[in-house]
This record gives sequence, C-alpha cells and structure tokens, in this order.
Amino acid sequence: DAGITQSPRHKVTETGTPVTLRCHQTENHRYMYWYRQDPGHGLRLIHYSYGVKDTDKGEVSDGYSVSRSKTEDFLLTLESATSSQTSVYFCAISDNGGWQTQYFGPGTRLLVL
Amino acid sequence: GQQVMQIPQYQHVQEGEDFTTYCNSSTTLSNIQWYKQRPGGHPVFLIQLVKSGEVKKQKRLTFQFGEAKKNSSLHITATQTTDVGTYFCAGMYSGGGADGLTFGKGTHLIIQP
Repeated sequence: DAGITQSPRHKVTETGTPVTLRCHQTENHRYMYWYRQDPGHGLRLIHYSYGVKDTDKGEVSDGYSVSRSKTEDFLLTLESATSSQTSVYFCAISDNGGWQTQYFGPGTRLLVL
Repeated sequence: GQQVMQIPQYQHVQEGEDFTTYCNSSTTLSNIQWYKQRPGGHPVFLIQLVKSGEVKKQKRLTFQFGEAKKNSSLHITATQTTDVGTYFCAGMYSGGGADGLTFGKGTHLIIQP
C-alpha cells in the first residue's frame, strides 16, 4: 500500500463542534483528495488539492474547508459538524490527477451526534 | 456535473457463478479505472483502460472499454469468496485531470458458498 495515513481513524463528536481530519502521505504525490462515502452514494469528492496552497471544491464541499501547507499534509475541517456529516472519509493521492491511479488511505469513521 | 452510472447496485451469486458489473457515461471518457473495496476496507486500484475497445484481463477478471468510450464492464469468471466486496468504476472526462475521477456508486458483490 502507498504511504498514506489518516488520523484520527475513528471519532465521535457533537453537533456544532469543529472537527479536523488529517491526511499524511510519504509518496510526494502532487494531487490529494478528500472523499466521503455513504451507503447508496458511493464516493463523493469534497475538496481536492493540486499543489501546496492550491485547492478547489468538489461535488459536496458545503460545510467543509481544506488546507494544504505542505506537500505531505492535507487537512479537512468541518467548521461546525452536523449529523449529516456522519460518514466515512477517505483521503486519496495521485501523481497525475485523473490520469493515474488514486491511492486511498484507510479512512476515518466520523459520527456526529 | 458529470455522472457515471453503475449497475447493478447489488449482485448475489453462488460461489462459482460468473459476475458482471456495468458502467455507463452520457459523455465520452478519457479513461476509466476500476477499484475494489473489501468490506471495512478502502478502495484499491485494479486497472485502467484508455483506448477505445480495449480489453484487459487479470486472471479471472476481464475489463472492457466500449468503442465509444462511454461504457465499461468488469466480468469475473467463476467467483470465489475472496471476490466479495464493492467494485467501483471511475471515469475521467476530457478537460478534466486535477479534479481526478468521477466514481460510480459501486456494485456490491455478495457470494453465497
């Protein structure tokens, strides 16, 4: 498996609480992605990054923000968590956008009560 | 936005039977990738198809990309219990790249011994 870690792996939080998820890679890949996975919806892109400090919105970006201050780290922040953000969050990396394989991290299970 | 439709959503088979999942896009794809996700795991890359009409095989798995580059299929011959999981197709559209791939919702393969 590619060198991708996500932290935390599991989190339970309350509605209205800020939450930050971290994705860390050791592959020096340019592109990084955050997806959420929900039953019946497959994988939906939240935000992506194509370089340090270069980020853009995906399909379901409302309520989420991201930051990438270093090549190896991509942070996803829920400013004020809601129950609808209960999901499994996957980070992925790629060396050449959609032209090459995406390598996924192990995922973070987030429960918002 | 662009959508990749994948059917069926669920497929129950007896061990030893064949399995096929299909993906369809209304617009031409630049490439299509296939991923497998085991229960509780993360998506793992299987293969990428780029050329019109391309067919690739990996042991019991056969992948096809349509002549018009709008559809693709994954066929598994003589399923085994190790094939259990969710199979996703993911397409890249012309002009895309940085925002990566558009994933289908996946086909859950359930195998009865």
